[in-house]
Formats: sequence, structure tokens, C-alpha cells
Amino acid sequence: QVQLQESGPGVVKPSQTLSLTCTVSGGSISSGYYYWSWIRQPAGEGLEWIGHIYSSGRTNYSPSLRSRVNISLDMSKNQFSLKLDSVTAADTAVYYCARAVADREGENYWGQGTLVTVSS
Amino acid sequence: DVVLTQSPLSLPVTLGQPASISCRSSQRLVYSDGNTYLNWFHQRPGQSPRRLIYSVSNRDSGVPDRFSGSGSDTDFSLSISRVEAEDVGVYYCMQGTHWPRTFGQGTKLEIK
Repeated sequence: QVQLQESGPGVVKPSQTLSLTCTVSGGSISSGYYYWSWIRQPAGEGLEWIGHIYSSGRTNYSPSLRSRVNISLDMSKNQFSLKLDSVTAADTAVYYCARAVADREGENYWGQGTLVTVSS
Repeated sequence: DVVLTQSPLSLPVTLGQPASISCRSSQRLVYSDGNTYLNWFHQRPGQSPRRLIYSVSNRDSGVPDRFSGSGSDTDFSLSISRVEAEDVGVYYCMQGTHWPRTFGQGTKLEIK
């Protein structure tokens, strides 16, 4: 059973870069053909899909965040990462990493989520 | 972006009674491969979302058969035949047909 665990700073200052890592266990991110995703949820609000990276390294990002976001794979550590530049208070949210088997069918494995607060 | 509108936003239900949630899309969700990529998720309080249904009507492994999904084109629904206590939480529809992926605003199911 694959498991995903987010890690990273809980507080980021405005204008700085938010960096999160998702560690995958129970399976290798280099095997199989999966989509490794990031999704966020502001407190008390709904879900926002940020983007994903395919096992081949191809990425897709939400247009609203594309200019600030980068998702990458680290096969050697069995991890994938999210970087979001120039953060503001509006980026405060619980960030989830997740995995999808098929591009369009939604993510069927999720991490527990990590709260990131943008504050000086 | 595709807007998914769920209704109702709040759904009080008596245990053992049926429940239904509607999800309407601002655009048709049939993809060029002929499939319709409308998916449903359930999020219990304090937990991560869990996918229940993918591609309109396919139940995920381990999802009780009291859950069913239906619909086509722009109108979809998630039905629960007999609500149990563990079904409380927020239900989200999500479309995978168009970029970017978008979610509905969520429907909160509670027990009366």
C-alpha cells in the first residue's frame, strides 16, 4: 500500500518561496506510470488543484499558479517536491500531495496534508 | 475554467435514509476519447479527501455499494442509498476532462 507524507516549513514569510516535499513509501516513484500531484485547501474552504508531474517528468500546472509553481521528482530519494514563489497570505492553506493512476480520474492516494501559513 | 456547482451545500440526513448530491458543470464533460471524467471525493473532518467514484459511476475498491454515481454531459449526482454515521463530512465533485482540474465547492453531509 503506497503512502505519502508531506514535509516542509509550517511558516513562510510573504514574498518568499514555499517549498514542500512529499516522501513516498510502499512503492517506487520511478516504477509504473503515475501522476504525482499537489492540491491545496485554505482553512474552511474547498480544494484547489495545483499541478502534477508524470513519472516521465512531464508537468502540468494550474494556469492561475503556473508563473509561480514548479513540481519536480527526486527518484534517488523517492520524493517529489513543490515550490511556489512570491507567496502571499492567499497561499496559506493545507497542502496535500497525492497520486493518480490515470490523468483524468482524480487522485486515489493522498498524504495527510501539511498546513503552511504565510506570515511575517 | 470549468465551474462545478454542487447542491445542496448542506445536507442534513437521518440515519438509514437516502441522500443525493447534485454536481452541475459549466461545460460538457465528455472528453475526446468518449469518456466522461467526473469524480467524487469524501473528506471526513480532520482527514484527507478520499476518492469514492471515478469516471461518473466507477466505485473505488473498498467503497460500500450504498454509494453510486450517475449522470452525463453537464449534470451528475452522487447517491447514498442508506446513510450511515461514517458518511458525515464534505463531498466534492471534481472534473478531469478540462484543464485545469476543478472541484465543486463541497456539500456538507451531517446526521440529523
